[in-house]
Amino acid sequence: DTAVSQTPKYLVTQMGNDKSIKCEQNLGHDTMYWYKQDSKKFLKIMFSYNNKELIINETVPNRFSPKSPDKAHLNLHINSLELGDSAVYFCASSSRTDTQYFGPGTRLTVL
Amino acid sequence: SQKIEQNSEALNIQEGKTATLTCNYTNYSPAYLQWYRQDPGRGPVFLLLIRENEKEKRKERLKVTFDTTLKQSLFHITASQPADSATYLCALARRGFGNEKLTFGTGTRLTIIP
Repeated sequence: DTAVSQTPKYLVTQMGNDKSIKCEQNLGHDTMYWYKQDSKKFLKIMFSYNNKELIINETVPNRFSPKSPDKAHLNLHINSLELGDSAVYFCASSSRTDTQYFGPGTRLTVL
Repeated sequence: SQKIEQNSEALNIQEGKTATLTCNYTNYSPAYLQWYRQDPGRGPVFLLLIRENEKEKRKERLKVTFDTTLKQSLFHITASQPADSATYLCALARRGFGNEKLTFGTGTRLTIIP
């Protein structure tokens, strides 16, 4: 059984479009995250949600809007995509003082 | 400013030898430090966690040390194997933040040469 799953795995789209990435975890964790990994492989946190509430927003442009319909899901919607948004986006989950479990990643390419 | 640096972007080690990776940090008061492994095209996978009051942790062929005076963690893989080839990331959790804000280092790409 997949612990943290993301869809889609690959996303290729034009500049200016709006797209969403979905994430689900079946680990019963309270906290979920979105990370961005750029071309230099640097992994940076974007958002953190605990029990469906936003607790960290790391100076991410407001074109990025996370939505958590329930504790097991954290989706990421991106408006007006730009070339610089091209990256791999990882969803992760954890309990409060535990390790993080990462999804397989979504490679976003903006043309 | 706060920084987490891993000693080298890439490291090549002969099979059977011990690989040692370094994670240095500045302007942090970490509650704990974690090491993750990332294979190409996959998400990071947790390996070991060491708390600020611990000096050393072991798991099978892996050993982590944590020196809060030097602001450094060392990650060792003994009897290295080609299957250990991957990128290794250190990550710090700041005191008071728990796991809500884990900051990652830049990673070291380790290659074990047969």
